[in-house]
Amino acid sequence: DQQVKQNSPSLSVQEGRISILNCDYTNSMFDYFLWYKKYPAEGPTFLISISSIKDKNEDGRFTVFLNKSAKHLSLHIVPSQPGDSAVYFCAASNTGTASKLTFGTGTRLQVTL
Amino acid sequence: NAGVTQTPKFRVLKTGQSMTLLCAQDMNHEYMYWYRQDPGMGLRLIHYSVGEGTTAKGEVPDGYNVSRLKKQNFLLGLESAAPSQTSVYFCASSYATLLGDTQYFGPGTRLTVL
Repeated sequence: DQQVKQNSPSLSVQEGRISILNCDYTNSMFDYFLWYKKYPAEGPTFLISISSIKDKNEDGRFTVFLNKSAKHLSLHIVPSQPGDSAVYFCAASNTGTASKLTFGTGTRLQVTL
Repeated sequence: NAGVTQTPKFRVLKTGQSMTLLCAQDMNHEYMYWYRQDPGMGLRLIHYSVGEGTTAKGEVPDGYNVSRLKKQNFLLGLESAAPSQTSVYFCASSYATLLGDTQYFGPGTRLTVL
């Protein structure tokens, strides 16, 4: 049973436009959510996170939105740049359980010129 | 400040051979983790540690053992490698905060078992 789902395996966006990556979760005990970015042959790099006490968190071009009632979060990248092309993983944890992360399967973002 | 490092970067084993993957972090993090990533799947937790001398099982622990003798190191062992253990292995570490921990990952070890 996959507790964190990223239903879009890939996404293509033009440079300068908005990229929206989506993630759904089923476990209501999750209270901390993260997005990681991964380039080929490298480890995942932390991008942005959000606690369940918030519904939005912003960091430069990256904004994460959390809808607890729908068990849904999204990552917005505005404006998208070619260097954003990577695989993005959504992850969730229950604070107080050694922060074990449950990952989604990832969405490959391609930003075209 | 090197962050999280992993040794080796690549390894090819024959079925039945054993090996140890080394993870080291210089951020004084209490928690450390081992994940594997397979094609089309997210990262899955193998084992983790909440402090020196402690280890616990994650989602997919079978066929692996771990040790955390020093706070900065976390070892992942395969006693008798199987082709199903062909994967990319990532180590991560984190410190605890009140609102949730951020894990920092190493560059990965690509393991092929023939």
